[in-house]
Formats: sequence, C-alpha cells, structure tokens
Amino acid sequence: DTEVTQTPKHLVMGMTNKKSLKCEQHMGHRAMYWYKQKAKKPPELMFVYSYEKLSINESVPSRFSPECPNSSLLNLHLHALQPEDSALYLCASSQEGTGSYGYTFGSGTRLTVV
Amino acid sequence: AQSVTQPDIHITVSEGASLELRCNYSYGATPYLFWYVQSPGQGLQLLLKYFSGDTLVQGIKGFEAEFKRSQSSFNLRKPSVHWSDAAEYFCAVGAVLDFNKFYFGSGTKLNVKP
Repeated sequence: DTEVTQTPKHLVMGMTNKKSLKCEQHMGHRAMYWYKQKAKKPPELMFVYSYEKLSINESVPSRFSPECPNSSLLNLHLHALQPEDSALYLCASSQEGTGSYGYTFGSGTRLTVV
Repeated sequence: AQSVTQPDIHITVSEGASLELRCNYSYGATPYLFWYVQSPGQGLQLLLKYFSGDTLVQGIKGFEAEFKRSQSSFNLRKPSVHWSDAAEYFCAVGAVLDFNKFYFGSGTKLNVKP
C-alpha cells in the first residue's frame, strides 16, 4: 500500500457544526502532516506529527484540532469554522521525521464552510 | 531563510513540444529538492527528487530535472509534452535543519495546446 487515504473527499459544514477529517496510511511512515490549500495557491503547512507526537503547529487557530491516535491515522477536528476556512485540506506522510525523502500526499478533502 | 521561487505563473506549450519549468531556491546548504504535480482538485504527486549525487535526476511520466548549484536552480524538463501533462507544478525544498518543514514554490500552471 503506497497511498495516503483521506475521507471524506468533500465536506460542506455550517459555522456551528463539528466535523472531522480523516487520514490514513499504511506505509510505515512515522511523520504525518496537515496542509491547507486555497485556490491557485501552494499548500500551507498546518501541523506536523512525528512519531505520534505533535511537533509543529504553524499558529493554526484553535478551531482546528489535530489528533494522531496511532502511527497510521491522523485526524483533523473542525469546530466553529469560518467561511474563509473553505479550502482543500491535504494530508501527507513521510518516511522519516525530517521529510527528506519527500512527502506522499492524499487527494485531499474539499471543505466548504457555509 | 529557505525559499523557493517559480518565476512563471502560467506556461502554455503545444502538444509534442518540449517543456522547461523554472525553479530557484535559496538555502544555506545543499537542499533536498522536489517537483510535485497537482491535477485540478487532486492531491500532489511526487515527480522526482534530488538529494545528492548525479545532478540530473529522472522522474515519472518522462520528466527530468537538473540541479545546478551555481545557479541555485532545479528546473524541470520534458522533451515532448502530452495533453495529460496539463496541471499545476510545484517545486519544493526540504530543509533538514528546519525539522520537518517543506517549502513550496508558488506553482506554475501548465496549459497544453492541441
């Protein structure tokens, strides 16, 4: 298995809703990442988990809450989002903590906040 | 600080023509360099990567890139473009000393004329 699987592929949520994005990989990668990508922009790093511990939080608002239950699974819990949070949310994983081997990306969750 | 510059926002080439996408980086030591491709609404797919050794690296889908330290460049090339190559291309640098961080260029959108 050489893929990063993200679910759901599309999500529409209201500003008072609570939802979660899920990311799964079975490549034995020990680092996992959440990126946010707005239209016509490069991905922006949000969070990094290394060996199941949060190692980087790029000053992301608390309405985004990451969770890494185990080495294969990464969640992003969403609560009280704003319309400007609408974007493509990408999960990635890498073989080593430094990411020097390049990242494997999932196909993303297209989030729309209404 | 690390940075990646892709000077061309849009490029249009005819099918069958050759392609070169430019990437310049700024980094104090030898970087880890990558090219990713993203089709609309999709995740990012790794085309190729450079860590060390031979400065001409081969990737998937017939792409290659050449690392030129003197010019701080890592340009992507393809001798004959296919219509299916139309996508957004991102150059990225991995910074070993900046643990787990990955810096993307702003991207180049490739259009292919029939």
